[in-house]
Amino acid sequence: DIQMTQSPSTLSASVGDRVTITCRASQSISSWLAWYQQKPGKAPKLLIYKASSLESGVPSRFSGSGSGTEFTLTISSLQPDDFATFYCQQYNSYPLTFGGGTKVEIK
Amino acid sequence: QVQLVQSGSELKKPGASVKVSCKASGYTFVGYAMNWVRQAPGQGLEWLGWINTNTGNPTYAQGFTGRFVFSLDTSVSTAYLQISSLKAEDTAVYYCARDFRMDSSSSDYFDYWGQGTLVTVSS
Repeated sequence: DIQMTQSPSTLSASVGDRVTITCRASQSISSWLAWYQQKPGKAPKLLIYKASSLESGVPSRFSGSGSGTEFTLTISSLQPDDFATFYCQQYNSYPLTFGGGTKVEIK
Repeated sequence: QVQLVQSGSELKKPGASVKVSCKASGYTFVGYAMNWVRQAPGQGLEWLGWINTNTGNPTYAQGFTGRFVFSLDTSVSTAYLQISSLKAEDTAVYYCARDFRMDSSSSDYFDYWGQGTLVTVSS
């Protein structure tokens, strides 16, 4: 199984900050990576697919980059609605696996 | 608009069974693979597997064979997850999630999710 490791597990930031979350795969997954945002009590929401493609309707302040084993999700200017937990997910091979999550908290 | 509406919360005793439903609307149900993902309290996301809505063929992740069964009723655009011989460690929110790919040939990433069904297993 491919292990996905996210860092940090928790991040404290202020509105307007630039935020970067890292996701590392235990082996190469090319660009087969998605990012999701989850708010408490809600289902995850797709943000990014194929490492850097923005899902329709997602604000352009979200961006993804990387390939192989190292990926990043960047929020260019953190907004109040962005405080949530973010997960990466690989779809290079079965079983599909998720990172452990990064909680973005208000500083 | 695409919607996946799941059945309500369940409280079950250890050893019992539960069946969670996921009713799809706003798109052609047969054609998009349906996945099941669970989230234990305070924990991350775990993929259980997927079902091909064209053929009804399920694929289970390791650790989810035997007690977990995926099924469909295409006449009512509904996917089901049945869990038997429930254990306390099955306590989680279970989500159905639609695969993005419009041919149900594989499972990749998920563009629409149900609202989740909390299954609590307690004596």
